[in-house]
Amino acid sequence: NAGVTQTPKFRVLKTGQSMTLLCAQDMNHEYMYWYRQDPGMGLRLIHYSVGEGTTAKGEVPDGYNVSRLKKQNFLLGLESAAPSQTSVYFCASRKTGTLLNTEAFFGQGTRLTVV
Amino acid sequence: KNEVEQSPQNLTAQEGEFITINCSYSVGISALHWLQQHPGGGIVSLFMLSSGKKKHGRLIATINIQEKHSSLHITASHPRDSAVYICAVSPSLNYGGSQGNLIFGKGTKLSVKP
Repeated sequence: NAGVTQTPKFRVLKTGQSMTLLCAQDMNHEYMYWYRQDPGMGLRLIHYSVGEGTTAKGEVPDGYNVSRLKKQNFLLGLESAAPSQTSVYFCASRKTGTLLNTEAFFGQGTRLTVV
Repeated sequence: KNEVEQSPQNLTAQEGEFITINCSYSVGISALHWLQQHPGGGIVSLFMLSSGKKKHGRLIATINIQEKHSSLHITASHPRDSAVYICAVSPSLNYGGSQGNLIFGKGTKLSVKP
């Protein structure tokens, strides 16, 4: 009954450090997404994946990389963290469906602070 | 221009009041989603609808496709309903929806006082 699990939940990084956020889903969903949530803004898409081994850029991809080596996992990497990447990060997954009208499932979020 | 607009941005209500949150969108959609986010918490899907009306407990969601408008109603509001409510749309294929992405509103922060 896990759904979408994100690790870690909290992290503080120094400018220039790197880290990887892990998203794992146990629902066999094809589509997975990484979003960031900033005050006063709606969630914005960083990168997404429509299946194992495929990734694509979203609205705000700069400074991030992703990988989806296994269908259930979607990793978000920050190679050299910057204060502008301080945000709350959400992972989401959906299964494919007719006209894409399928429910989205979200993780609990990762609160990242870059100092 | 935001493709998904919500109103109001903030809403304070007394326990027991009837609450309405509105969402307007400007793109063609395959579905509209209402989501709930408690302080410091994750995001939970409340409804997904593409026509008409859905009800779950004290929550009711309606959508008017022709007017590109949806409302979320909460009847007999309770302090535990305090949360941010987010409207999101799945764009239709001819609006770039092939990757299954959602376009989000900025959210409505609801506070219900006892």
